[in-house]
Amino acid sequence: AQSVAQPEDQVNVAEGNPLTVKCTYSVSGNPYLFWYVQYPNRGLQFLLKYITGDNLVKGSYGFEAEFNKSQTSFHLKKPSALVSDSALYFCAVSAQGSGNTGKLIFGQGTTLQVKP
Amino acid sequence: KAGVTQTPRYLIKTRGQQVTLSCSPISGHRSVSWYQQTPGQGLQFLFEYFSETQRNKGNFPGRFSGRQFSNSRSEMNVSTLELGDSALYLCASSSGTGDPILNEQFFGPGTRLTVL
Repeated sequence: AQSVAQPEDQVNVAEGNPLTVKCTYSVSGNPYLFWYVQYPNRGLQFLLKYITGDNLVKGSYGFEAEFNKSQTSFHLKKPSALVSDSALYFCAVSAQGSGNTGKLIFGQGTTLQVKP
Repeated sequence: KAGVTQTPRYLIKTRGQQVTLSCSPISGHRSVSWYQQTPGQGLQFLFEYFSETQRNKGNFPGRFSGRQFSNSRSEMNVSTLELGDSALYLCASSSGTGDPILNEQFFGPGTRLTVL
């Protein structure tokens, strides 16, 4: 069965400092990995995805994520945090196969709090 | 291009009633997925439709059903509402070209359902 773990409910970081939001996954076969962000009373916004290729993926708003197959991790990073990055972040996984079509498995989410 | 729209944005129902939620995907998108978001269970996949056919289904009781119309608009229905059905219901659309997970899923703002 597919699963995603985000071990931290909340991450606090000072503005200008680097940030990391952790994600580990479990899936049979090759994983498709995603990061989404959710602002209050809004839907999810896509940040980036890993399908294949380079392990370092660059996405929207200066975010990037590193795929590590041996550690089954896909941590989200940003070199310099902004107060406006404060939001709820979700890691998601899907796998190949007709039984997984259109289906994302999400982690529980991590609240990122960036303090001025 | 207009984004994914969901109507209504807010709903209040009482136990035992039924409810229908609507989702209009981005023009040209043929795949629509539905998710339930609650504080306790997080984001959970309900089902996915493509060209009026349900291709994938999550682990929800039969009270949860959906359909997709020829114009790709989708509805989901919950019958005999329970208190635990109170949640934010999100739909997402993608182009559906090949495996839709390989394409970005665009999320709507959600419908907040409260069951009293």
